[in-house]
Amino acid sequence: NAGVTQTPKFQVLKTGQSMTLQCAQDMNHNSMYWYRQDPGMGLRLIYYSASEGTTDKGEVPNGYNVSRLNKREFSLRLESAAPSQTSVYFCASRDTGRQVRTEAFFGQGTRLTVV
Amino acid sequence: GDSVTQMEGPVTLSEEAFLTINCTYTATGYPSLFWYVQYPGEGLQLLLKATKADDKGSNKGFEATYRKETTSFHLEKGSVQVSDSAVYFCALSQSNYQLIWGAGTKLIIKP
Repeated sequence: NAGVTQTPKFQVLKTGQSMTLQCAQDMNHNSMYWYRQDPGMGLRLIYYSASEGTTDKGEVPNGYNVSRLNKREFSLRLESAAPSQTSVYFCASRDTGRQVRTEAFFGQGTRLTVV
Repeated sequence: GDSVTQMEGPVTLSEEAFLTINCTYTATGYPSLFWYVQYPGEGLQLLLKATKADDKGSNKGFEATYRKETTSFHLEKGSVQVSDSAVYFCALSQSNYQLIWGAGTKLIIKP
């Protein structure tokens, strides 16, 4: 049981390049999330998807777009990368089908550097 | 709005010392409460949870009790090991789809 899988694990981009971070979960969870974690700091929510077909902005959505491709997959796109987007990105999922006060399961993270 | 406040780190202890990491929260209603652990270079893992007042979550020697009267969920361990060195996050979930996170507390255990 893989849980939450993120690809790639590491990426270096040049300023202005675009890329898509992929996330897939095999736990049949309804809700999925993208967070960023800057050095020495906590988690900041970028976007989330409460269910297939819906997405909502979090605390720091500027410069990002998301797609909930199906129930399993939730991708994060950087259209024009900036050095300020250098961070570690975490995808998470939760089972919110019957009740919403459930725990989140995290991927291993994507370490992105924008030069 | 809802919020979670954790004690600032880093917390530095010697091996076999007693650990307490404070966590207090502000929330309406009856949230679930969680502690997560993040080892260097890894993602977050659920350490323990509690879903209602007076519940005690426990795992790997760590414990935390959901105290509604003091709105707290302090993490404790009786005897820490070097392998417990990590960042610990307190979080709550409410009747919406978001989790509210504390800022994290870095724990350093010296042999």
